Amino acid sequence: EPEVTQTPSHQVTQMGQEVILRCVPISNHLYFYWYRQILGQKVEFLVSFYNNEISEKSEIFDDQFSVERPDGSNFTLKIRSTKLEDSAMYFCASKSTSGRIDTQYFGPGTRLTVL
Amino acid sequence: GENVEQHPSTLSVQEGDSAVIKCTYSDSASNYFPWYKQELGKRPQLIIDIRSNVGEKKDQRIAVTLNKTAKHFSLHITETQPEDSAVYFCAASRGAYGNKLVFGAGTILRVKS
Repeated sequence: EPEVTQTPSHQVTQMGQEVILRCVPISNHLYFYWYRQILGQKVEFLVSFYNNEISEKSEIFDDQFSVERPDGSNFTLKIRSTKLEDSAMYFCASKSTSGRIDTQYFGPGTRLTVL
Repeated sequence: GENVEQHPSTLSVQEGDSAVIKCTYSDSASNYFPWYKQELGKRPQLIIDIRSNVGEKKDQRIAVTLNKTAKHFSLHITETQPEDSAVYFCAASRGAYGNKLVFGAGTILRVKS
């Protein structure tokens, strides 16, 4: 069964550095999402992306964040200048436009640690 | 804004007993309600979902009920097994197309053998 994949599994960075988190959604999916989960807390929506543009973004997704689909398979989340409070697990998800059109499938996550 | 409340935060049951987790949502436009199971350090996995045109759905030992009027939905696990131990998240969404999932805070389920 196809799955969403994410790299790296763990990223450690210094405060103020830029990070790029990478995701490969399921191949025929057209909706893409980023969520984050601070340790011990709920999963929070960051941004949704469709047709090469942002569909919706949360208050968390400020000017320090950006997303891109640089090619036909990757979907990336960039944090320009990381802060301590950006430390979290970041999940990518994707969704189809046919069949189970409601279901979002999650990747395994990237644990970001900002020191 | 949209909010999903989930209770209890932790639940311990004996193996073989039933477990019930309850959620309420605030956005009356929500029409899709998935439940995800998350084992330690792993991705959330969809275990069951329900749409607003249905009041109940069952899949083997797992069932979900939805009360649209009261804006709450529940997960029922019967004949619990140790491998059911995990964190369970409910979520609500306006459904199809790009709509985001709004998650509850999660329930830590422990099944004691």
